[in-house]
Amino acid sequence: KNEVEQSPQNLTAQEGEFITINCSYSVGISALHWLQQHPGGGIVSLFMLSSGKKKHGRLIATINIQEKHSSLHITASHPRDSAVYICAVPLMNYGGSQGNLIFGKGTKLSVKP
Amino acid sequence: DTGVSQDPRHKITKRGQNVTFRCDPISEHNRLYWYRQTLGQGPEFLTYFQNEAQLEKSRLLSDRFSAERPKGSFSTLEIQRTEQGDSAMYLCASSLWAGNEQFFGPGTRLTVL
Repeated sequence: KNEVEQSPQNLTAQEGEFITINCSYSVGISALHWLQQHPGGGIVSLFMLSSGKKKHGRLIATINIQEKHSSLHITASHPRDSAVYICAVPLMNYGGSQGNLIFGKGTKLSVKP
Repeated sequence: DTGVSQDPRHKITKRGQNVTFRCDPISEHNRLYWYRQTLGQGPEFLTYFQNEAQLEKSRLLSDRFSAERPKGSFSTLEIQRTEQGDSAMYLCASSLWAGNEQFFGPGTRLTVL
């Protein structure tokens, strides 16, 4: 079983729709990352959150540590939001420090005009 | 531009050849990570450095792969005797310390013919 699971794998929406992407994880974490990857490969960090909710423009990320679940919401979606959205959690080392990230497979979002 | 840079952006090579990639992290970032991403998958961890020390290596990193960060600044990833299965996007990321947000470079896309 993958340690980080995302749903859906693919999502097509009409411009203006409210979008939700879900992420579940099985390991204990101190923070969760949401990343955006455009065609061509570049990855941009959207959020790093450890509790509650964060908002940046039309993007909102929430996390429930007890339920090991996070969601990424996009309000008033636009074709330029079309990208792959990836959830990632840091692997915790024995010493308690954070190591590398473990990634979900990503959700490919396509927003049609 | 003071982001993470990678060179080259694209590399096409014949099976059996050696290739070397370079990553320049954000200045003063102590952590440097290498990830690999194949088509349709999320990135997978390869190795990471804290300053010049290589702290962790994935089982994905066979003995054909070697990475260095000799002065704690830029890093190189070398693949010897390339195989077709090595074809992937190789991503570099850096962070100030463990647990901080990771900033990704544009990646090096390797194609092994």
